[in-house]
Amino acid sequence: DAKTTQPPSMDCAEGRAANLPCNHSTISGNEYVYWYRQIHSQGPQYIIHGLKNNETNEMASLIITEDRKSSTLILPHATLRDTAVYYCIVRVKGGTSYGKLTFGQGTILTVHP
Amino acid sequence: EAQVTQNPRYLITVTGKKLTVTCSQNMNHEYMSWYRQDPGLGLRQIYYSMNVEVTDKGDVPEGYKVSRKEKRNFPLILESPSPNQTSLYFCATLDRDSSYEQYFGPGTRLTVT
Repeated sequence: DAKTTQPPSMDCAEGRAANLPCNHSTISGNEYVYWYRQIHSQGPQYIIHGLKNNETNEMASLIITEDRKSSTLILPHATLRDTAVYYCIVRVKGGTSYGKLTFGQGTILTVHP
Repeated sequence: EAQVTQNPRYLITVTGKKLTVTCSQNMNHEYMSWYRQDPGLGLRQIYYSMNVEVTDKGDVPEGYKVSRKEKRNFPLILESPSPNQTSLYFCATLDRDSSYEQYFGPGTRLTVT
């Protein structure tokens, strides 16, 4: 799996958009970008994933640059409950060890009133 | 509602007293796994199962056993717990049919004294 780099921490005001960046400059053509988050000591939660097109679901939007070397997770209207550690992961669907999830350090997002 | 349940959520026990942490899912996923999470070490996979009666070791299997007699359940067994197994444990399933996203249980915090 390609290595990812995320800022260690970010702040966001409640109600504003939270934009979380991720660099993955060594991503391969068949690797997807996945985002998960973990609210303190709870089970990690899948957010969204994409290959090269921008994706949106009920939780967030994922913007992937044209060269696919970086991406941004957007929480459009952050709430206090979005305070969590956010993990960006790059991996092949169905590749070797496809079931083993390895998190890096992630970004601690703090949403404040 | 798609769910992974774990029981118990909290457990304090003594060294050597056998225990079982149960995991159940309602999504009919074939792939299930167990992780432990420790400060500074991130998520580490203990065991995984690709289907009924098929289990295999993850990265840190020592001191643990699992079984997969039916698709929905994947219990984690500690035959003789030791203090170094004090940790936060997560059960997870994987949607291998489409997104390869993982669904995590709420976690079991185990303390072995």
